[in-house]
Amino acid sequence: DAKTTQPPSMDCAEGRAANLPCNHSTISGNEYVYWYRQIHSQGPQYIIHGLKNNETNEMASLIITEDRKSSTLILPHATLRDTAVYYCIVRPLTGANSKLTFGKGITLSVRP
Amino acid sequence: GAVVSQHPSRVICKSGTSVKIECRSLDFQATTMFWYRQFPKQSLMLMATSNEGSKATYEQGVEKDKFLINHASLTLSTLTVTSAHPEDSSFYICSARDRGQLANTGELFFGEGSRLTVL
Repeated sequence: DAKTTQPPSMDCAEGRAANLPCNHSTISGNEYVYWYRQIHSQGPQYIIHGLKNNETNEMASLIITEDRKSSTLILPHATLRDTAVYYCIVRPLTGANSKLTFGKGITLSVRP
Repeated sequence: GAVVSQHPSRVICKSGTSVKIECRSLDFQATTMFWYRQFPKQSLMLMATSNEGSKATYEQGVEKDKFLINHASLTLSTLTVTSAHPEDSSFYICSARDRGQLANTGELFFGEGSRLTVL
């Protein structure tokens, strides 16, 4: 069972920021929040992950609430190529339970 | 990022035949690889965990004799769909964990996927 809940879909205008929410109220202390995305008919692509601090890389920013029960993935300037299904996953860094279990994800549609 | 390659990307076969899909880590060693299946408009479903040099661990409901997994080296895992039937038609995706990055990121790298169509 996926331990996260995400809205089924959202859209945003090209060039604007896309803020994708994720709830993970049962997250354990050793579990990280990972985000992957899947563009149609391709394998998933790693975006970012974090434990409790906010993280930023060349693709996105990850904002994790202080209680760690929810997070937001931010694509600062969405492009048409960012249209994809985005998966929020919680898992330990290593160990037997560190396999990735995908939920339904959120479908982001970026409109021109 | 690290590269995982799958082959073939598309395959069409007749019902009753067997199909082998390869998953290779091109620039890193992977002690663990994962195999997923994805039906149209659905999410990825983990089928099995493949460990180099040992037997694969299958998820509940996945037939190990139907989906044979071999992880003979640190850069190659294969999935063989035996006696394929139309209901096995799906998008099969592998992922691999970089042994060298294990303690740092736990990041998994995914292949491009292999689309199987069984006629």
